[in-house]
Amino acid sequence: DVKVTQSSRYLVKRTGEKVFLECVQDMDHENMFWYRQDPGLGLRLIYFSYDVKMKEKGDIPEGYSVSREKKERFSLILESASTNQTSMYLCASSRTGGLNGYTFGSGTRLTVV
Amino acid sequence: DAKTTQPPSMDCAEGRAANLPCNHSTISGNEYVYWYRQIHSQGPQYIIHGLKNNETNEMASLIITEDRKSSTLILPHATLRDTAVYYCIVRVASSNTGKLIFGQGTTLQVKP
Repeated sequence: DVKVTQSSRYLVKRTGEKVFLECVQDMDHENMFWYRQDPGLGLRLIYFSYDVKMKEKGDIPEGYSVSREKKERFSLILESASTNQTSMYLCASSRTGGLNGYTFGSGTRLTVV
Repeated sequence: DAKTTQPPSMDCAEGRAANLPCNHSTISGNEYVYWYRQIHSQGPQYIIHGLKNNETNEMASLIITEDRKSSTLILPHATLRDTAVYYCIVRVASSNTGKLIFGQGTTLQVKP
């Protein structure tokens, strides 16, 4: 069964910590995405990547960075975690030009205290 | 990408068909209609997509009006596990911008 796997389901971090959220896909997809989901705001795109070592800012990139050193792995980095980054983080992947939509991971619920 | 309008919530009896409407009156000729759903505390799940013809797969059917300004997702025999938020999205299929714009969706409650 094809999958997008996020390394942690729940995470609690302290303000100011550097946080790494990892995402791995086994579908050989070119594109990978990081979203955050908050009540009343829906899913918002943070960053995406359409190839190894390539990255593009989404709608809300401030306070985040990403890394894609291998095709199957896309990491989201919170340089200095803040309480307003408490959220559900969702990773997704898709094939370039593919019509079958995006595949999402199960999400990481991050709490910054 | 065109915006969509969906009712905020719907109920459906278990075993009956669930018909979820979506309006997308500003859809462009090269934009597809996609449906996703999100079960509580999980990531969104792709259901089905279509351009102008009706589509069916193992999960659902998609009916698109002739003018393409609206569509209906049909779950033929809803079960309790189909309780979820359903999102209708229109976008250019080959776009790599990642801008899957999720609106508020329709919360479908399947009742026994």
